[in-house]
Amino acid sequence: RKEVEQDPGPFNVPEGATVAFNCTYSNSASQSFFWYRQDCRKEPKLLMSVYSSGNEDGRFTAQLNRASQYISLLIRDSKLSDSATYLCVVNSYVYGNKLVFGAGTILRVKS
Amino acid sequence: NAGVTQTPKFRILKIGQSMTLQCTQDMNHNYMYWYRQDPGMGLKLIYYSVGAGITDKGEVPNGYNVSRSTTEDFPLRLELAAPSQTSVYFCASMARGGVGSPLHFGNGTRLTVT
Repeated sequence: RKEVEQDPGPFNVPEGATVAFNCTYSNSASQSFFWYRQDCRKEPKLLMSVYSSGNEDGRFTAQLNRASQYISLLIRDSKLSDSATYLCVVNSYVYGNKLVFGAGTILRVKS
Repeated sequence: NAGVTQTPKFRILKIGQSMTLQCTQDMNHNYMYWYRQDPGMGLKLIYYSVGAGITDKGEVPNGYNVSRSTTEDFPLRLELAAPSQTSVYFCASMARGGVGSPLHFGNGTRLTVT
C-alpha cells in the first residue's frame, strides 16, 4: 500500500462549481499534512497546511480525519486559474521524518 | 531573498556521462531534499540532509550521490547517467523537521539522458 494515495482524476468541472478531493495516508503516526499545487510540471507550491480542527483559506477548505486517515480539500466557486494538479503531502517517519507526496489529482476547470 | 536556487534549468546528457545538479538556499534551513518527478508521477525522494555533514538515502537513491558541506548547498551528483534518470529534479528545503513545517522548492532541473 502506498503511503499517500490520491485519485488521479482528472476532475473536469465548470467554472463556479464546488469540487472536493480526498487523500488517504497509511502512517497513523503522521502529524503534518499539507496540500500543494503544481502547474505544468513547475515546482510544487504550498496551497495550505491542514490542521486538526480543519481550516479555511478563502475558497479553499481543508479537513483532517485522523480516525479514517484521510485529508480533504474543498474548492468552492472554481476559477479557470484553479486548473492544476493538487498534491497531498504527509510527513512520514520511514525516512527520518520526511514529507511524502501523493501522485496528485488533476483538476480542470472549464468555462 | 532568493529562496531555493537550482542550476542548471535544463540539461541533456549522453548515456554514461556524469554531472552535478546544484542547489543552494539562503533561508538558513537545516533540512534539504532532492526529489525527482517522472511524467505523470508523484515526487520521489532521492536523498535528504538534516544538516551540514549529514546525508541519508531516500526512496530512490541508486545512481546518485550527495554531499552537504555547508548549510546553504546540497548538490546532487549523477554518475554514469542512464535513460532511466531522465526526469525533472526538484531541490527543496525546510526550516525544521517538526510538525507543520512546509517545503520550499527550487524551480527544478529538467534532465534528459539520451
